[in-house]
Amino acid sequence: DVKVTQSSRYLVKRTGEKVFLECVQDMDHENMFWYRQDPGLGLRLIYFSYDVKMKEKGDIPEGYSVSREKKERFSLILESASTNQTSMYLCASRWGQVNQPQHFGDGTRLSIL
Amino acid sequence: LAKTTQPISMDSYEGQEVNITCSHNNIATNDYITWYQQFPSQGPRFIIQGYKTKVTNEVASLFIPADRKSSTLSLPRVSLSDTAVYYCLVERRTGANNLFFGTGTRLTVIP
Repeated sequence: DVKVTQSSRYLVKRTGEKVFLECVQDMDHENMFWYRQDPGLGLRLIYFSYDVKMKEKGDIPEGYSVSREKKERFSLILESASTNQTSMYLCASRWGQVNQPQHFGDGTRLSIL
Repeated sequence: LAKTTQPISMDSYEGQEVNITCSHNNIATNDYITWYQQFPSQGPRFIIQGYKTKVTNEVASLFIPADRKSSTLSLPRVSLSDTAVYYCLVERRTGANNLFFGTGTRLTVIP
């Protein structure tokens, strides 16, 4: 079974802090994703990576950056956290293209105070 | 990319068949349709995927009409453990990030 592990289930940070969310997958998948999930809005794509050091912006990249130095690890960075970034963050990975399923981690609930 | 629209919630009794429809009026030729299930405190989990007509697996069926402007997830004989949020995803085969999740349908199965 594919395992996607997000480093923290819950995280509390302060406004202005630099925040790192880590995601690791164990199946050598090329593609990795970061989403945020908010009530009534579903899942919205923040960033996508299709290979090491390769990334593309999703629908809501503002205020975020990503890093993929190794194939198994995809990091989401909040450069200067703000209260409107309080949300559930979900990481996913996938082998190949669209006709393969995405495998999700269990999420990090991030609160910015 | 096709925006998706789903009902916010549905209720069903145990043992009934449940059909959840997703509208994607602007779907393109290269777009695939995928459904995910999400339980509280967990990430979404893949249920089924299709491109056209009908697809069936061990847990669900997916019906896609010829114009592909909608899709219907069918869950046969639901049980209490099927209570979850169900998401429709439309995703383009070409292009790295051309995907759009719906806002999800909360299904409650009643004893």
